[in-house]
Amino acid sequence: DIQLTQSPSSMSASLGDRVSLTCQSSQGIGNYLSWYQHKPGKPPKPMIYYATNLADGVPSRFSGSRSGSDYSLTISSLESEDTAIYYCLQYDEYPFTFGSGTKLEIK
Amino acid sequence: QVQLKETGPGLVQPTQTLSITCTVSGFSLTSYYMQWVRQTPGKGLEWMGFIRSGGSTEYNSEFKSRLSISRDTSKNQVFLKMNSLKTEDTGVYYCARDSESSPFDYWGQGVMVTVSS
Repeated sequence: DIQLTQSPSSMSASLGDRVSLTCQSSQGIGNYLSWYQHKPGKPPKPMIYYATNLADGVPSRFSGSRSGSDYSLTISSLESEDTAIYYCLQYDEYPFTFGSGTKLEIK
Repeated sequence: QVQLKETGPGLVQPTQTLSITCTVSGFSLTSYYMQWVRQTPGKGLEWMGFIRSGGSTEYNSEFKSRLSISRDTSKNQVFLKMNSLKTEDTGVYYCARDSESSPFDYWGQGVMVTVSS
């Protein structure tokens, strides 16, 4: 199975900071990677699909990028509502697999 | 608008069978794949499987032969059945829609399932 390693596992940052979360794939998955924001008591919310495409309704301060097998989710200017756990998902190969998540908090 | 809602038993005894229904509105099951994902304390988010718009299925081998996904298009419902439940199957179960352009683009609220005697 393809393993996705997310780093850091948790982090805190200040409002207005630029924040980057990383997801590394154990095998090549092309651009078949998406990102989800998960808040307590709610379902995961799609943020980025196909590595770099912004999902519908997602603020433009979010962006996705890829460098080889490393994928990043970047928030250009952190807002309080961005507090959540962020997960990556690969959908290139069965079984689809999720990373273990990065918990993002506001300082 | 697109809506998905899971309904299930809440509490299931070990070795018994879990049945969850996902009722959808705002789109046709014959046009989209429907996914099942769960979140457990032990393994986090896990992809379980899906049913294609044409009705065929794909499963995570992790669940071997325990899992079955089916649907009733006339009722706009998708079903998950999993047998031989263990305490480690305790968690939140989600159904999600899958579009060609954006995977898992809409999710249900999830249903909490506790496996306990």
